Amino acid sequence: DTAVSQTPKYLVTQMGNDKSIKCEQNLGHDTMYWYKQDSKKFLKIMFSYNNKELIINETVPNRFSPKSPDKAHLNLHINSLELGDSAVYFCASSQDGRAGNTIYFGEGSWLTVV
Amino acid sequence: DQQVKQNSPSLSVQEGRISILNCDYTNSMFDYFLWYKKYPAEGPTFLISISSIKDKNEDGRFTVFLNKSAKHLSLHIVPSQPGDSAVYFCAASAEGGTSYGKLTFGQGTILTVHP
Repeated sequence: DTAVSQTPKYLVTQMGNDKSIKCEQNLGHDTMYWYKQDSKKFLKIMFSYNNKELIINETVPNRFSPKSPDKAHLNLHINSLELGDSAVYFCASSQDGRAGNTIYFGEGSWLTVV
Repeated sequence: DQQVKQNSPSLSVQEGRISILNCDYTNSMFDYFLWYKKYPAEGPTFLISISSIKDKNEDGRFTVFLNKSAKHLSLHIVPSQPGDSAVYFCAASAEGGTSYGKLTFGQGTILTVHP
């Protein structure tokens, strides 16, 4: 069983559309994250949630809205998609947010905005 | 402001030899350092970590060294195997507050191990 799973893996959509990426973890972790890997390959945190509560919002445009219905799920909804949103989005989880806890990543969702 | 830097975009080594991947950081608040390995079309997978109170951590073929005064860490892979070919990311975290759970990544080094 995949520990952190996210869908879809590949998504091609037009500018202006709204799309969602779903994420689920079966590790029993309290903390979940969204990371973005841009065209320059930098991996940067977007959000972190602990037990359904937002902890970190790393100056992400409010077109991006994470939703955590329970601590095993953290979905990412993106409104009014722009060309610059094309990137790989990684969901991740850890036992909690303390430094030293291993963060486990999903396989990534490749978003292409045309 | 890039707080974690991997200045070598790529490294090529012969199978059986040592691979040394380097990482520098600027934020003295970082107290935990991790290496992740990433294959194409997959997510990063955890490899090895080190706390700032240590200067070395070893796990099988992988050893991470930390030099706090130089704000430098390195990952040694001995012996290197073709299956080690991947992108290696250095990452750092700080305890508490607004850093809760946040990893700051370097830009990655592509390691190629030739048979």
